[in-house]
Amino acid sequence: GNSVTQMEGPVTLSEEAFLTINCTYTATGYPSLFWYVQYPGEGLQLLLKATKADDKGSNKGFEATYRKETTSFHLEKGSVQVSDSAVYFCALALANDMRFGAGTRLTVKP
Amino acid sequence: NAGVTQTPKFRVLKTGQSMTLLCAQDMNHEYMYWYRQDPGMGLRLIHYSVGEGTTAKGEVPDGYNVSRLKKQNFLLGLESAAPSQTSVYFCASSFFFPWTGEIHEQYFGPGTRLTVT
Repeated sequence: GNSVTQMEGPVTLSEEAFLTINCTYTATGYPSLFWYVQYPGEGLQLLLKATKADDKGSNKGFEATYRKETTSFHLEKGSVQVSDSAVYFCALALANDMRFGAGTRLTVKP
Repeated sequence: NAGVTQTPKFRVLKTGQSMTLLCAQDMNHEYMYWYRQDPGMGLRLIHYSVGEGTTAKGEVPDGYNVSRLKKQNFLLGLESAAPSQTSVYFCASSFFFPWTGEIHEQYFGPGTRLTVT
């Protein structure tokens, strides 16, 4: 079946540090891949997406590249801010199947 | 546009009671979903709908029923609540492009926090 595995948290960084959150997937076909962000007390919001191999999604300084050879979609940001503190979810969509990772909580300290 | 709205925001039930959660979207999306979010488990799909009058089971459907009588609304019912159904419930909706078979990004509601005692 289809599944998503993402790095366990929590992750604590200082402001301006480099961020990587690992995400790998298993799929029976060629899924679309997403990163969603959830701020406290809110629903999930789309952060970025990629729909085919080698696509790079980017938004608000975050980037992730769809790597078919390693079945990965790692999230990166060069310099995090306190306002980036949230829970990040990796997800895949294939036909009618949506799968989410367990989420990684990021805390950025000033 | 309000996007995706959910009612109620909070609810406490006793074991065996029933309730219905309402989700509404004003984006004319074909697809709608119900998830539950539990600590350390991410989101798990309960049921989904690919259009008005259709529903299908997701990953964890047991103990829940759904209905989609109108395109903009998706109802989630608990007929006999159990403590294991204590969770945060999220509704979402999305476009689907049939010519590519691609589900586009989902838009989420703010969630309903349900406690079953």
